Amino acid sequence: EIVLTQYPATLSLSPGESATLSCRASHSVSRSLAWYQQKPGQAPRFLIFDASNRATGTPARFSGSGSGTDFTLTISSLEPEDFAVYYCQHRSSWPPTFGGGTKVEIK
Amino acid sequence: QVQLVESGGGVVQPGMSLRLSCAASGFTFSSYGMHWARQAPGKGLEWVALIWYDGSNTYYADSVKGRFTISRDNSKSTLDLQMNSLRVEDTAVYYCARDLGAAAAHPGWFDPWGQGTLVTVSS
Repeated sequence: EIVLTQYPATLSLSPGESATLSCRASHSVSRSLAWYQQKPGQAPRFLIFDASNRATGTPARFSGSGSGTDFTLTISSLEPEDFAVYYCQHRSSWPPTFGGGTKVEIK
Repeated sequence: QVQLVESGGGVVQPGMSLRLSCAASGFTFSSYGMHWARQAPGKGLEWVALIWYDGSNTYYADSVKGRFTISRDNSKSTLDLQMNSLRVEDTAVYYCARDLGAAAAHPGWFDPWGQGTLVTVSS
């Protein structure tokens, strides 16, 4: 099973600042990585797939990069609605696994 | 629009059974694989099971294999999860999600997700 490690666990930032979230895989997943956003009391929302492709409806301020074992989600200028928990997920092999999440909170 | 609505959650004792359902609308249900995933209180996401678009293949997390059964009724656009021999550690919000891109060699993405149904296993 591929383990995904996300860091930092918490990111404290102000609206307008840029956020950089990391996800590291225990084995190469090529570019088979996605990012999800989850707000309190809500279901996760699909943001990015294949490491860098925005899902339908994902704002352009969200961008993904990376391949192999190291991936990054960047939010270029945080909007109030972006404060949430973000999870990465791989689909390189069975079973699909999720990272432990990074909470982006208001500083 | 695409909508997934879970139901069937509740409080059960360890060792008991529960059946969850997910009603799908807004898309051609019979053309997509479907997942169940869960999230323990205050914890991260865990994939539970996947069923192919036609029900011909199923996949399970090791943590539920042999206890949970995923099934679907394409004529009713519904997805089910039969959970037997429930354990305290199965306590979680259970989500159904549409699969994007799964194949025999690899799973897919999860989009969209339902709002979830809470299962509490406690004596």
